[in-house]
Amino acid sequence: EAQVTQNPRYLITVTGKKLTVTCSQNMNHEYMSWYRQDPGLGLRQIYYSMNVEVTDKGDVPEGYKVSRKEKRNFPLILESPSPNQTSLYFCASSLSRTGGGYGYTFGSGTRLTVV
Amino acid sequence: GENVEQHPSTLSVQEGDSAVIKCTYSDSASNYFPWYKQELGKGPQLIIDIRSNVGEKKDQRIAVTLNKTAKHFSLHITETQPEDSAVYFCAAMVGYDYKLSFGAGTTVTVRA
Repeated sequence: EAQVTQNPRYLITVTGKKLTVTCSQNMNHEYMSWYRQDPGLGLRQIYYSMNVEVTDKGDVPEGYKVSRKEKRNFPLILESPSPNQTSLYFCASSLSRTGGGYGYTFGSGTRLTVV
Repeated sequence: GENVEQHPSTLSVQEGDSAVIKCTYSDSASNYFPWYKQELGKGPQLIIDIRSNVGEKKDQRIAVTLNKTAKHFSLHITETQPEDSAVYFCAAMVGYDYKLSFGAGTTVTVRA
C-alpha cells in the first residue's frame, strides 16, 4: 500500500530533550515536506526537500532541523524542544513540488507535547 | 508570500443540504488550488483540485469554482452525508516557487 509512515503517533517530552520524528514513504516520491497544524492557523510548512541532500526552509523553520540522506526518509529533528513546539505534525510527499495533479500524500500525524 | 483566507471556520448543515466553503488568495501568480479533507485522527487527503486555466471542476457531489479576477475559489458539496463531516482545507500554490499555502480550515458537521 502506498503510504507515508510517521513515528511516533504521540509523544510527550520535556523541554530541551532532543527528539526525532521519523517519516518514510514507499512511493519513490522526490518531494517531501513537514507541516505543523495548530488551531486557527491551518497547516504551516516547516521544511521541504526536493530530492536527496536538497532541503530548504518553509514558513516556520526555527527550532527544527531535517535531513534527506535517502529518498524515502525525511526525519524531523528538534534539537532543544520548547513548549511552543507543542503541535500536530504532518509529513507529506509527492511526485513533484506541484503535487503532479495527485496532490500531496500525508502521513497520519504526530501529536507532540512539550512540557 | 501567499496568504490564503478561508471562511467559515465552522459550518453545520442538515444532511442532504449543500455546503459551501470560500477561500481568497493574495498572490495573482498562484495557479494551482487543491482542497484537502481531514478526518479525525488522519492526515489531510486531496479531494479535488483546479488549475488557473479552468473556471470550474466537478467530481460527483463535490465541485470547485475559481474566479481569478477576484482571487477567490470555493468548494461546493451537494447532498451532504454524515461521512462528509470533517475539516476541509483550501490551498494555493504560487507558480514561480511551487510553495503550497493552506487556509486555516473549515470544520464541517453534517447533522442527521
